[in-house]
Amino acid sequence: DVKVTQSSRYLVKRTGEKVFLECVQDMDHENMFWYRQDPGLGLRLIYFSYDVKMKEKGDIPEGYSVSREKKERFSLILESASTNQTSMYLCASSLLPTSPLHFGNGTRLTVT
Amino acid sequence: SQQGEEDPQALSIQEGENATMNCSYKTSINNLQWYRQNSGRGLVHLILIRSNEREKHSGRLRVTLDTSKKSSSLLITASRAADTASYFCATDREGGKLIFGQGTELSVKP
Repeated sequence: DVKVTQSSRYLVKRTGEKVFLECVQDMDHENMFWYRQDPGLGLRLIYFSYDVKMKEKGDIPEGYSVSREKKERFSLILESASTNQTSMYLCASSLLPTSPLHFGNGTRLTVT
Repeated sequence: SQQGEEDPQALSIQEGENATMNCSYKTSINNLQWYRQNSGRGLVHLILIRSNEREKHSGRLRVTLDTSKKSSSLLITASRAADTASYFCATDREGGKLIFGQGTELSVKP
C-alpha cells in the first residue's frame, strides 16, 4: 500500500516566518502534488511535480515555492507566512498524472 | 477554477438508506474519480470511471457517468454510520491535473 507521510499534523507559525512542509512517499511515484483545502473552496492545487527537480505551478502558486531534490520527497515552502495562508495542506502522489491520488493525512497550518 | 461541482452540499440520512451525490463538470474529460475524506484526514480514492464507461460498481458503491450531460453520480447503498464523511469528485483536465469539487458532506445517523 502506498504511504504518503506529511511531517506535521499541526503547525503554528508567526507572520513573516519561513515555513517548510515536508512530504514523503514510499511507492516510487513520479508525480507529487500540493493542495490546500479551505471551507467553501474545496481543494485547490498549489504546485505539482512530474519528476525530480521539475515543478509546475497549479492554480494558486502565489506566496509558495516547492522543492523536489529526490523522487520520494516534495517540499512546500512558504517564504514569508501570512495569515491568509492558514489552511489545511494536503500532499498527494500518483503513478501517472491523472491516475488515482494517494494523499497524506494533511498538515493544519495556523499563521498568527 | 473548480471543474467539478457536487450536489447537494450536505446530505443527512438514516442508517440503511441509500445516499446519492451528484457531480457536474464543464469540459470534456478522460476520467472522473470519487474520493472520500473523513474529518481532519486526507482523501481516500474510491473509484475511477473512464469517459467511455457508463457505470461502475465497487462493493456498496455505484458510480454512473453521463458525458452528454457532463455529470456523474455516486450511490452508496445500505449506508452505515461509518460512511459519514465528505465525498469529492475530481476530473482531469489538460496538463495532467486533477481538479476537485467542493464536496458533499454526508451524515449517516444510526
